[in-house]
Amino acid sequence: NAGVTQTPKFQVLKTGQSMTLQCAQDMNHNSMYWYRQDPGMGLRLIYYSASEGTTDKGEVPNGYNVSRLNKREFSLRLESAAPSQTSVYFCASGTVYSNQPQHFGDGTRLSIL
Amino acid sequence: QKEVEQDPGPLSVPEGAIVSLNCTYSNSAFQYFMWYRQYSRKGPELLMYTYSSGNKEDGRFTAQVDKSSKYISLFIRDSQPSDSATYLCAMSGRGDKLVFGAGTILRVKS
Repeated sequence: NAGVTQTPKFQVLKTGQSMTLQCAQDMNHNSMYWYRQDPGMGLRLIYYSASEGTTDKGEVPNGYNVSRLNKREFSLRLESAAPSQTSVYFCASGTVYSNQPQHFGDGTRLSIL
Repeated sequence: QKEVEQDPGPLSVPEGAIVSLNCTYSNSAFQYFMWYRQYSRKGPELLMYTYSSGNKEDGRFTAQVDKSSKYISLFIRDSQPSDSATYLCAMSGRGDKLVFGAGTILRVKS
């Protein structure tokens, strides 16, 4: 039972490059989330998906896009990376009952030069 | 001013000590309160979930909410070196998304 799996674990990009962060969960959860974690800032919600086929903006959506590919997978795309997007990105999933993230992946550490 | 304030620490205690971790908040609409534990280079894991005021106990962990003071606490009894981690508080109102504190680093020395 893998829980929430994120790929890649590390990535270095140049300013202006694009990339997609992948996330998959095997717990049959309806809700999925993308957060970023920066020193002294706590976790901030980028986008979330309450169920398959729906996505909504969180606190810091600018510069990002998401796709809820199916119930298991929720990807985050940076179209034109900027140094301000250097961060650790976490994907999470949760049940409809709690409507809150309960299980997190181990993160993608992204550096943008 | 941040909606949720949490002392970053680090908080260093000897093994076996009682640990008290705290958060204050400003939004009186918050009614769901959580504590997450995050080990180094890992994702957060949900530790405790409390609705409204009162206490909740789970093994060595007790979560306490005082809505009148806008103050929540996590107590860890008989602390172990394996409890060394960053502890994140998080809270939300009904139907809202979670707001996280920045986390407190805890170090338990053997």
